[in-house]
Amino acid sequence: GDSVTQMEGPVTLSEEAFLTINCTYTATGYPSLFWYVQYPGEGLQLLLKATKADDKGSNKGFEATYRKETTSFHLEKGSVQVSDSAVYFCALKVSSGTYKYIFGTGTRLKVLA
Amino acid sequence: DGGITQSPKYLFRKEGQNVTLSCEQNLNHDAMYWYRQDPGQGLRLIYYSQIVNDFQKGDIAEGYSVSREKKESFPLTVTSAQKNPTAFYLCASSIRHINYGYTFGSGTRLTVV
Repeated sequence: GDSVTQMEGPVTLSEEAFLTINCTYTATGYPSLFWYVQYPGEGLQLLLKATKADDKGSNKGFEATYRKETTSFHLEKGSVQVSDSAVYFCALKVSSGTYKYIFGTGTRLKVLA
Repeated sequence: DGGITQSPKYLFRKEGQNVTLSCEQNLNHDAMYWYRQDPGQGLRLIYYSQIVNDFQKGDIAEGYSVSREKKESFPLTVTSAQKNPTAFYLCASSIRHINYGYTFGSGTRLTVV
């Protein structure tokens, strides 16, 4: 079945370090791929998305490229800030009629000043 | 501004009591979803609704019930049959399209005392 696998956290980085959070997926057909961010005690916010192979989603300095050949959608940021500390979820959506998400388990990022 | 509102933000329930969590959206979205999030865990789908007067069970529907009498509203009842109801509950809504992300509410934290 369809699934999303994320790297386990927590990921702890110093401010201005480079961030990569790995995400790989298994899906039938051609899914759309998403990254969401959750700050403590809040709901999830859409960070970026990519809807077809080789698309690059970007927002607030974060980027992710839809790689069909490696079934991956890794999240990257060149220089993280303390305010980026949050939990990041990778998700896919397939056109199976229900348009439900399949979420990864989330990766907690801690950025130290 | 359009959005999705969950209330209350914090809820305390005695064992054996039913409790209803509110979710209202003014985004004109057809689809609405309820997720449960446990500490350090990912999101698990409880129920979802694609159109008014119709809803389907998600992965962990036992001990929960929902209704969808209006497009704007999708309340979730946590019944006394739910064995471990203490969790963070998230409501979301979306357009029924593969490329469209979810809009999440800010969540309700339910604690059984």
